[in-house]
Amino acid sequence: QKEVEQDPGPLSVPEGAIVSLNCTYSNSAFQYFMWYRQYSRKGPELLMYTYSSGNKEDGRFTAQVDKSSKYISLFIRDSQPSDSATYLCATNNAGNMLTFGGGTRLMVKP
Amino acid sequence: EPEVTQTPSHQVTQMGQEVILRCVPISNHLYFYWYRQILGQKVEFLVSFYNNEISEKSEIFDDQFSVERPDGSNFTLKIRSTKLEDSAMYFCASRADRSGNEKLFFGSGTQLSVL
Repeated sequence: QKEVEQDPGPLSVPEGAIVSLNCTYSNSAFQYFMWYRQYSRKGPELLMYTYSSGNKEDGRFTAQVDKSSKYISLFIRDSQPSDSATYLCATNNAGNMLTFGGGTRLMVKP
Repeated sequence: EPEVTQTPSHQVTQMGQEVILRCVPISNHLYFYWYRQILGQKVEFLVSFYNNEISEKSEIFDDQFSVERPDGSNFTLKIRSTKLEDSAMYFCASRADRSGNEKLFFGSGTQLSVL
């Protein structure tokens, strides 16, 4: 079983829509959860970072972690064309290497 | 805002040649990493480096790879004899030494093309 899985998409939504991006992971030892945004041929850019189960909000972005079901979500409110990118979830143990999902490509159409 | 800087942005080399990819991590960070991403595939961990030594490496990071921090600011990845399958985007990343802070910041990458 792959350690971190994401639906590759593409996910196409109209501008202003609420976007829901999801990941599942298999290793219950993972403690830290991150969402990165990656534009084409650029490095991953850290969007959200959380440790505990529950919700964390930052502007239009909300990260949600459910450790009991090993499920991670990212919600984007009022999506904009500039949000069009690939979204990567990532997780790790303390101090260890990040394990990435394959990424979900999001397209927000004006 | 401080950022991780990588040079060159694109490197083309012949199979069997040595390449050195360069990175300047964020200045107050102490943990350094190399990741790579083959086109259309996941971002994969290569190696982590702390206190002038490798702290962890993946199966990908074989004897052809080496890392070095030659001075107080640069962090390099050397591939001794490149293979076609080394063609990928290579990302440098750094992390601050703060307990519980797992935030990892990436550079824009070096696209390595092995011909």
